[in-house]
Amino acid sequence: GAVVSQHPSWVICKSGTSVKIECRSLDFQATTMFWYRQFPKQSLMLMATSNEGSKATYEQGVEKDKFLINHASLTLSTLTVTSAHPEDSSFYICSARVNRGNGVEQFFGPGTRLTVL
Amino acid sequence: SQKIEQNSEALNIQEGKTATLTCNYTNYSPAYLQWYRQDPGRGPVFLLLIRENEKEKRKERLKVTFDTTLKQSLFHITASQPADSATYLCALPSRDSWGKLQFGSGTQVVVTP
Repeated sequence: GAVVSQHPSWVICKSGTSVKIECRSLDFQATTMFWYRQFPKQSLMLMATSNEGSKATYEQGVEKDKFLINHASLTLSTLTVTSAHPEDSSFYICSARVNRGNGVEQFFGPGTRLTVL
Repeated sequence: SQKIEQNSEALNIQEGKTATLTCNYTNYSPAYLQWYRQDPGRGPVFLLLIRENEKEKRKERLKVTFDTTLKQSLFHITASQPADSATYLCALPSRDSWGKLQFGSGTQVVVTP
């Protein structure tokens, strides 16, 4: 199956700093990747759709200047949380869309736990 | 957007029994519906996809049904094992953008020996 990796798996940072999270498709090319955020005991909330070679599409209520997304190649998308604050502490998960003969599947990365002090 | 409802209470079940989870949606009927498994601190893992014209889909000990009239999908784990303990999420495609998914909040399953 398709494998998606994320780095780092966890990060602790001070308030006001920026944090970059990488999402890589290891054995396939992904023109579209998605970034989600998940708070404890809650569902995955889609933050943005990352398209290779073009600007990301953000969901309503997500600040594009705070959550910078770059999808510079077919195997790498990055999410940068700028000027992070404690309320940005969450579990960030990326996924890559794969077209199958019977529909569309998303393969998820293992997630990145961000803690902002 | 869709409102997707999954039982928020954990389902505690004895090993060997069948676990049944429910996913209800309130708005438009999607072309397909997916089920994922999520372990603590991990990303979701795709399990099954069922299309609107399919009543039932099976994969090993897993069975999914899809009733577009009731706007409901049922997810069954037969002969459950402790290793099946996890949170199970249903996901529906977004109508406004191909490939986007909307997730339910998930139901935790705990299988005890």
